[in-house]
Amino acid sequence: GDSVTQMEGPVTLSEEAFLTINCTYTATGYPSLFWYVQYPGEGLQLLLKATKADDKGSNKGFEATYRKETTSFHLEKGSVQVSDSAVYFCALTRGANNLFFGTGTRLTVIP
Amino acid sequence: EPEVTQTPSHQVTQMGQEVILRCVPISNHLYFYWYRQILGQKVEFLVSFYNNEISEKSEIFDDQFSVERPDGSNFTLKIRSTKLEDSAMYFCASTRGRAAYEQYFGPGTRLTVT
Repeated sequence: GDSVTQMEGPVTLSEEAFLTINCTYTATGYPSLFWYVQYPGEGLQLLLKATKADDKGSNKGFEATYRKETTSFHLEKGSVQVSDSAVYFCALTRGANNLFFGTGTRLTVIP
Repeated sequence: EPEVTQTPSHQVTQMGQEVILRCVPISNHLYFYWYRQILGQKVEFLVSFYNNEISEKSEIFDDQFSVERPDGSNFTLKIRSTKLEDSAMYFCASTRGRAAYEQYFGPGTRLTVT
């Protein structure tokens, strides 16, 4: 069945460091891929998405490229800020509405 | 900006009791969902709801669970007889359309079954 495997956390980085959170997926066909973020005390918010192979989603300095050959959708940001501290979820959907999520990666950025 | 709201933020109940978790989706959205996350585990799909009926449900969503949109604004999840393993964070979500449309999530209700 469809599934998402996400890098285990927690991740702690200093401000302005480079961030990578790995995500790989298993799905038949052509899923749409998403990164959601959850700030403390809030719901999950869509950070970025890609709907077909080689698409790059980007938002707020974050980006991720849909790589069908490696079934991956790694999240990257060149220079993290304290305000990026949150839990990040990789997810996919394949035609049907329901999202399949990874376990989430908690990021803490220290000044 | 419109948002999905959920009440209560935290519910504590005894095993065997019924609980109702409430959600108010975004007003012009057509598809509604419940997900749950047991501590330390993945966010899992429970059920989707469209046009006043369940459109899809997971194997988690057994006869103990039910959903309802009683009045055109609220969307509720009922657990008839709670078990210890129902303790989790429950998220409601809504969207305008299918597949690649963004799902908007509420802040969640933490359910603790003792």
